[in-house]
Order: sequence, then structure tokens, then C-alpha cells
Amino acid sequence: NAGVTQTPKFQVLKTGQSMTLQCAQDMNHNSMYWYRQDPGMGLRLIYYSASEGTTDKGEVPNGYNVSRLNKREFSLRLESAAPSQTSVYFCASSEFGGTQETQYFGPGTRLLVL
Amino acid sequence: KDQVFQPSTVASSEGAVVEIFCNHSVSNAYNFFWYLHFPGCAPRLLVKGSKPSQQGRYNMTYERFSSSLLILQVREADAAVYYCAVVCSNDYKLSFGAGTTVTVRA
Repeated sequence: NAGVTQTPKFQVLKTGQSMTLQCAQDMNHNSMYWYRQDPGMGLRLIYYSASEGTTDKGEVPNGYNVSRLNKREFSLRLESAAPSQTSVYFCASSEFGGTQETQYFGPGTRLLVL
Repeated sequence: KDQVFQPSTVASSEGAVVEIFCNHSVSNAYNFFWYLHFPGCAPRLLVKGSKPSQQGRYNMTYERFSSSLLILQVREADAAVYYCAVVCSNDYKLSFGAGTTVTVRA
């Protein structure tokens, strides 16, 4: 099992450009998440999908959109990138999203917006 | 705003026990999760729960609003960022602390 995979690993964008971060999991998990990691801030939830066909906002959703394409894939889109979106983005998944469940993370996408 | 607090850095020497303290103000949060993160890699779970537990060299203490992660016989290879997180039973979302960078002297 590859677990949670993310593409690309690294991306440089200019302000105003758009891009989509891809995430896929092969563990047959129902719940998927997008986080951003910034120095001194820890991991903050952007959006999550409790199950296929549903998505909900997390703590910092502004400037982002998501699509739960199918059970395996959950993408994050930046329509008009801003320097404040420079960050490391992590995708995660869990079986059902319960209070005792482990979230499994991908290796991250490092994004630089100039 | 609900928050999770942990020290930004902890320094240690090889062979010692490292303790990372975490406390939170998240209502209806009962489970702690401790994650290990090497930069450039995926964060991975070390230990979790709502009671004291142990996984190999990792011990987790538990109180209602605080937990400590103890790393026994710490090695240079344990130098990394350790995240504490709690999950709210209302919405099942994980709230993370800012992470603790552990440094280990040979």
C-alpha cells in the first residue's frame, strides 16, 4: 500500500496563478482532510470530506476550494494564489473520522507563491 | 478560540528521557494524539488515547486537559518535530499544537 500520496511535491506560483493539489489514498478510507503547515502555527485544517460526496470548511478555508472526486481522491484548488498561501500542504485520511481514529498523512506539497 | 499548547523547543542528550508537555482548552475533547514529523516526510502517529499508554520507547501520560509524551533513551535520530493534537467529540476535527522541535546532543 502506498498510503496517502500527494502531487506535486513542490511548486512555485506567481501571484494570481491557479493550481490544483492532488491527493489520493489507497486505504479505502471514508474521510479525507487538507491541512496547511506554517511556522509557529502547527497544522491547520483547510477543508475536510467526511465521506464521498460531502465537503466542509475547516479553520482556514478562505482562498481555497476542494473536490472529492471519488472515494480515493480529494483535491485542493487555489483559484488565485496569494503570497499568504505560501505553505506546506498536507493531505490526510481516516477510516470514518471518529474521535479515536488515526489520521494518516501524505508527505506534503511545498508551495511558494511569489 | 480553542487551542492546544506545547513548548516550541526541547533540548536533550542521548540516552536521556525527553518529556514534551501539552495542554488544551478544547471543550469536549477527550483523546490526545501525538505525531512525529521529520521535515519532508509524512507526519506519523506515535501514540494516542484517553488514558496513559506506551508504544515502544514512547509513553503518553493523560489528564483530562493535558498530556505528556515521554521519549525513553532518546537518540540523535529522534531529533524531529512532535505534534500534540486533540479531537473534539462535537465535530471530530483534530486541533494541533504548534509543534515541539526536539534536539538531541550526542
